[in-house]
Amino acid sequence: KAGVTQTPRYLIKTRGQQVTLSCSPISGHRSVSWYQQTPGQGLQFLFEYFSETQRNKGNFPGRFSGRQFSNSRSEMNVSTLELGDSALYLCASSLNSGFGEREAFFGQGTRLTVV
Amino acid sequence: AQTVTQSQPEMSVQEAETVTLSCTYDTSESDYYLFWYKQPPSRQMILVIRQEAYKQQNATENRFSVNFQKAAKSFSLKISDSQLGDAAMYFCAYRSGTASKLTFGTGTRLQVTL
Repeated sequence: KAGVTQTPRYLIKTRGQQVTLSCSPISGHRSVSWYQQTPGQGLQFLFEYFSETQRNKGNFPGRFSGRQFSNSRSEMNVSTLELGDSALYLCASSLNSGFGEREAFFGQGTRLTVV
Repeated sequence: AQTVTQSQPEMSVQEAETVTLSCTYDTSESDYYLFWYKQPPSRQMILVIRQEAYKQQNATENRFSVNFQKAAKSFSLKISDSQLGDAAMYFCAYRSGTASKLTFGTGTRLQVTL
């Protein structure tokens, strides 16, 4: 059974540009969550999508957005990149959302560097 | 809001010895889950062990076990017979029973020495 796949693994962008990251969850999983990991702020929740609907959102500016497709694949977009957006972005896949959910499986992350 | 605190930024253990990583959390909810995740240099978060709040029995997975003290809101991880491959960042995480969002602690870097 394939795990959670995140693409690309590494990305270098210039300030002001926008970027799109992709996450393919485990087959059959319908919930995808995104996290930002930085040395200063640690692991922070960005948002969760379940059945193509955003279920929960963290405390991030509107420049961070996401979506989920009918096959459960998810993308997150960051517009007008800032140096502080440099981070490891992790995607987590779950069978369901919330009640009854057991555990989340993580991808290997996308390392975004903004220069 | 829920918070998770890991007060040990770094720990060191000798191979074959036992080490305990500490975690405390704060919540007003009664239905929740607690997790320990391991993040090796490859960066992928790997689930080590899970504890449901409604279960009184402490979870165990091979060499990994937890000491879950619900009243004290404490959730420590014990690693027995430590191996070189256990060296990694360990994160304690909290999840409400009604949402998928994970709240993480700041992590403990575990070194395993010969």
